[in-house]
Amino acid sequence: QQPVQSPQAVILREGEDAVINCSSSKALYSVHWYRQKHGEAPVFLMILLKGGEQMRHEKISASFNEKKQQSSLYLTASQLSYSGTYFCGTEVEGRDDKIIFGKGTRLHILP
Amino acid sequence: EADIYQTPRYLVIGTGKKITLECSQTMGHDKMYWYQQDPGMELHLIHYSYGVNSTEKGDLSSESTVSRIRTEHFPLTLESARPSHTSQYLCASSEYTGTSGEHTQYFGPGTRLTVL
Repeated sequence: QQPVQSPQAVILREGEDAVINCSSSKALYSVHWYRQKHGEAPVFLMILLKGGEQMRHEKISASFNEKKQQSSLYLTASQLSYSGTYFCGTEVEGRDDKIIFGKGTRLHILP
Repeated sequence: EADIYQTPRYLVIGTGKKITLECSQTMGHDKMYWYQQDPGMELHLIHYSYGVNSTEKGDLSSESTVSRIRTEHFPLTLESARPSHTSQYLCASSEYTGTSGEHTQYFGPGTRLTVL
């Protein structure tokens, strides 16, 4: 039931782009994206709903492919502040309001 | 910005002690959650609550217990702490934020527990 994230880790130079993927074997109602910096709590970035539109948070956007039960997070022109671990969380159809998180993708931005 | 508080932030305790981790939120959210997270690892849901007098176990088996007597308060208790309980414990609450029933989870700062 846990979503699978890829890649496990990414190292970028400032200004480069990255894509983080999240896939599930279950039919999903929603996908949530969070960013967690070292020693801090996860912070909500955005939510994508089944049948919804692509979402955006600053220069970070995400999409949700319902047919593939897959979501992708796009980081454009990355900034140093984007460093952290990105978690996707999925909520299955049936709406139990439980979010199950993936193992996370570590993103490190070099100056 | 959500107001969700956890105390203590750090706790070092000996094996066999009973401990209670506190979590409070002031937004009136019905749904609250406890996650366990080892450093650099994923978040595991261990308990959740849909409202007062409602508690459910999460996907990761845990020896802890929770209670929900008041909407704003969701404490987690370990009757007899063991070194295997050493971890970070994150509390969260959620609210419906959109017209389609979507909800957003807000996390507290966490309690870092070390059992010697």
